[in-house]
Amino acid sequence: LAKTTQPISMDSYEGQEVNITCSHNNIATNDYITWYQQFPSQGPRFIIQGYKTKVTNEVASLFIPADRKSSTLSLPRVSLSDTAVYYCLVGDYKLSFGAGTTVTVRA
Amino acid sequence: GAGVSQSPSNKVTEKGKDVELRCDPISGHTALYWYRQSLGQGLEFLIYFQGNSAPDKSGLPSDRFSAERTGGSVSTLTIQRTQQEDSAVYLCASSTGGNGEKLFFGSGTQLSVL
Repeated sequence: LAKTTQPISMDSYEGQEVNITCSHNNIATNDYITWYQQFPSQGPRFIIQGYKTKVTNEVASLFIPADRKSSTLSLPRVSLSDTAVYYCLVGDYKLSFGAGTTVTVRA
Repeated sequence: GAGVSQSPSNKVTEKGKDVELRCDPISGHTALYWYRQSLGQGLEFLIYFQGNSAPDKSGLPSDRFSAERTGGSVSTLTIQRTQQEDSAVYLCASSTGGNGEKLFFGSGTQLSVL
């Protein structure tokens, strides 16, 4: 089971791009990389998932290098409402989510 | 319903009492997970159900914790003889299962043991 490492916290300002990098050196060949967002008093919410290269949706982009040992979640032009905890998961979910990255967006 | 439903949303109980937490997954989802989240912490995996297979109970912290899933749908997490350290948010998630699955979470049950 792949273990992930991500920063504990990041601060940003409205309108800036936020990039959160997750390390997963032991990723297995068939593992997907999935990111979730959690607001206070809510369950996590799926943001984006990828296997390799780049994935983009209406919320974020996910960049995965060729060796797949890391991935970067990119949140373009953040707003105050993007303040949340972001979790990176690799492999199956019979793992505990780590502490995630607390992103704080300031005006 | 459209999403994962959990009840109650809040539960206050006295130490030593038993509690039951309910999860109603998205219709058709074969996989169901229970997690526990203590204040300011990440999600701790508790138990996993997939279809008719035997559940993976590897995350249950003690034998006071048990869960069942009836008819492949609704699940109940039971905590017997609650302790103050059991106070946390209990989250349920469901998915279609398989590699690359995406989890859909409920809003959780906030359990407070006095």
